[in-house]
Amino acid sequence: NAGVTQTPKFQVLKTGQSMTLQCAQDMNHEYMSWYRQDPGMGLRLIHYSVGAGITDQGEVPNGYNVSRSTTEDFPLRLLSAAPSQTSVYFCASSSGLTPPTLYGYTFGSGTRLTVV
Amino acid sequence: SQKIEQNSEALNIQEGKTATLTCNYTNYSPAYLQWYRQDPGRGPVFLLLIRENEKEKRKERLKVTFDTTLKQSLFHITASQPADSATYLCALRSGNTGKLIFGQGTTLQVKP
Repeated sequence: NAGVTQTPKFQVLKTGQSMTLQCAQDMNHEYMSWYRQDPGMGLRLIHYSVGAGITDQGEVPNGYNVSRSTTEDFPLRLLSAAPSQTSVYFCASSSGLTPPTLYGYTFGSGTRLTVV
Repeated sequence: SQKIEQNSEALNIQEGKTATLTCNYTNYSPAYLQWYRQDPGRGPVFLLLIRENEKEKRKERLKVTFDTTLKQSLFHITASQPADSATYLCALRSGNTGKLIFGQGTTLQVKP
């Protein structure tokens, strides 16, 4: 099993450009989330999903869009990149077996994004 | 509002001693608390979780306690080793939502 796969690993964008960070998991997990990590700020939740077709906002959703058309994939879109979105982005997934609160999250290795 | 706090100061201990890290929270009920380890340049790795009705959980040299009156969890690493040096994150999940919120993390440095 590959676990949670994030692509790309590194990306440099110019201000105003758009891009999609890809996240795929092969564990048949229902729950998926996107986080950003900045120095001294810890991990902050951007968006999360409890299953295909269902998404919700986290702590810092502004400037990001998500969709979940399949169980496996949960892409994160930056519509118009800003320097404030320079960060490391992590995707994570967790089992939806009942009760889901018994399960921890599996994280990808991250995407390091720089917006200039 | 919901809040999770960890000591942002690094914890330095000598090899062989017990490391104790603290996580305090407010406004989570029911609370399902998780601990993760993160090494530089890598994603967090899940270690342990403890539910509100559990007082203590153990896994090898790791022990987690949960005091719902104090709204605090303690994370212990016994017989610590230099390889335990990392940042440790606590996170809280409220009920069956997919929402897992993290504290800022505490960096542990174990010196030989």
